[in-house]
Amino acid sequence: QKEVEQNSGPLSVPEGAIASLNCTYSDRGSQSFFWYRQYSGKSPELIMSIYSNGDKEDGRFTAQLNKASQYVSLLIRDSQPSDSATYLCAVNIAGGGNKLTFGTGTQLKVEL
Amino acid sequence: ETGVTQTPRHLVMGMTNKKSLKCEQHLGHNAMYWYKQSAKKPLELMFVYSLEERVENNSVPSRFSPECPNSSHLFLHLHTLQPEDSALYLCASSLGGRELFFGEGSRLTVL
Repeated sequence: QKEVEQNSGPLSVPEGAIASLNCTYSDRGSQSFFWYRQYSGKSPELIMSIYSNGDKEDGRFTAQLNKASQYVSLLIRDSQPSDSATYLCAVNIAGGGNKLTFGTGTQLKVEL
Repeated sequence: ETGVTQTPRHLVMGMTNKKSLKCEQHLGHNAMYWYKQSAKKPLELMFVYSLEERVENNSVPSRFSPECPNSSHLFLHLHTLQPEDSALYLCASSLGGRELFFGEGSRLTVL
């Protein structure tokens, strides 16, 4: 079983819609969760971090964490074409020290 | 700009060459990382340095040799690489193992 799983997509949404990206993880002791955005040919850019159950909002982005169900999601409201990118979920696995484990990423396409 | 600078941005080398990738962080972080990103694969952690001490080596072949002379600089020395080593090599830094901040990456092509 993969430690961090994401649907590779592509996920296509119309401009202005809500994009919902999901991530599941295998280790129940994980404490820290991150979403990165990666444009083609560029490096990953941190957009959200979440450490406790519930929702965390930052502008058009909302991260949701449910430790009991071992999933973390990212909602993007009012999706824009500039949001088209690959979104990487990263988890600090319990006992992993300073390292993050990444999923393969979900490609999001926002269509005009 | 994330405060993490990588050079060179692009590198083409033959299998017998020796080259180095350089990373510098200006964020006051205490941990630095090398990741490898290949097509259709998740980011693969290669090495972690915390307070200049290597704390992680994920079974990386010896043809990759890291060096961390101080908390702001990290190198990846490359020698006798294989074509399958062609990838994007990403340097990152963090404070206390929390959020990672990545450099722009070094795109390596091995002929």
